[in-house]
Amino acid sequence: DSGVTQTPKHLITATGQRVTLRCSPRSGDLSVYWYQQSLDQGLQFLIQYYNGEERAKGNILERFSAQQFPDLHSELNLSSLELGDSALYFCASSERDSHTGELFFGEGSRLTVL
Amino acid sequence: GQQLNQSPQSMFIQEGEDVSMNCTSSSIFNTWLWYKQDPGEGPVLLIALYKAGELTSNGRLTAQFGITRKDSFLNISASIPSDVGIYFCAGQRYGGSQGNLIFGKGTKLSVKP
Repeated sequence: DSGVTQTPKHLITATGQRVTLRCSPRSGDLSVYWYQQSLDQGLQFLIQYYNGEERAKGNILERFSAQQFPDLHSELNLSSLELGDSALYFCASSERDSHTGELFFGEGSRLTVL
Repeated sequence: GQQLNQSPQSMFIQEGEDVSMNCTSSSIFNTWLWYKQDPGEGPVLLIALYKAGELTSNGRLTAQFGITRKDSFLNISASIPSDVGIYFCAGQRYGGSQGNLIFGKGTKLSVKP
């Protein structure tokens, strides 16, 4: 158990819909990261928040947005969903934005868009 | 975006065999990491390498940070069934945010008892 909690574990929705994925980081961790894992693309970094502020942005679509709340939990919002958005979405956390590279991943939220 | 070339894509081996996988890049990285993802779980850090030429072990696992800083390899000795999973390499550049870890596409390991 990494200490990172993600909900929901599974989600099935239709194209055009909007969903919200939730992440609670490990106790004491200030940084939260979102990754998308699809079969053909591997793990793709989406976005990072550190203590409530956006720190780094990766290949995140404009239809997607995220935020980190004062209690440090984070939400990833996916809108106008397309079939290609079906993937595993991972949240990870770390104590701070150091350079050790160690991230603690949650179990992921599997999104299926029909 | 930037990609790491990880090979092989998959391996089917007999229990007890040694395993070797590697990762290469056209760019220099200052940190190389190896993560393992068990089925239904998120990736877990196995080994982190911070210095060119560094060789680090974690039990039956050994990883090296290539001297050119553009590659890394991971060896698993005397494989056991619980080694099954997907192994990812990841690279990070100096001054980059941890969020900017670049991951390889993974090596899927299957171990036959």
